[in-house]
Amino acid sequence: GAVVSQHPSRVICKSGTSVKIECRSLDFQATTMFWYRQFPKKSLMLMATSNEGSKATYEQGVEKDKFLINHASLTLSTLTVTSAHPEDSSFYICSAKSSREGYEQFFGPGTRLTVL
Amino acid sequence: AQTVTQSQPEMSVQEAETVTLSCTYDTSESDYYLFWYKQPPSRQMILVIRQEAYKQQNATENRFSVNFQKAAKSFSLKISDSQLGDAAMYFCAYTTGTASKLTFGTGTRLQVTL
Repeated sequence: GAVVSQHPSRVICKSGTSVKIECRSLDFQATTMFWYRQFPKKSLMLMATSNEGSKATYEQGVEKDKFLINHASLTLSTLTVTSAHPEDSSFYICSAKSSREGYEQFFGPGTRLTVL
Repeated sequence: AQTVTQSQPEMSVQEAETVTLSCTYDTSESDYYLFWYKQPPSRQMILVIRQEAYKQQNATENRFSVNFQKAAKSFSLKISDSQLGDAAMYFCAYTTGTASKLTFGTGTRLQVTL
């Protein structure tokens, strides 16, 4: 149990285009999902926390208009990188908290975004 | 603000030997949870072990155990009988409870040699 999927696993796009990444909890309901960004050989940096049916809470320094997060259902959250630029190239990871288990987060396999 | 510190960027251990990874944290909370995550080359985050702060007994999961020193705010991970598959980045992490985010340390890269 407690499986989280991400789609796509890899994406390459041209500068100026928008890219949407999906995060799904496959066998549990997730009231809260988190989006992280990870640079090579670095730790995970929390970008935002999203709760089902409400606006996401962004960490300081993260542009909410650039990284649009939608958590429309208890099993799906999406991250849209708008007008992507090469500096947005990174590894993006989502995690989800079960509505039943209080504190553990379950991680997706990540999405590698490359902006040309 | 809560912080998590991993002072060892890299560690190396021989196969079948034991290695300890260090982690310290800073918090003013009394109720919190600590984790060790493993990130292999696939980059999938895998939970290795967790510890509830209110529990005095150190958590153990097969070859993995922790030394939780609450007063010293220390949470080290011991890997016994190291295997080649243990080679990965290890992250120490902290959260305060049901609705809070995880705070990660900077990670320790573990190499396992023959």
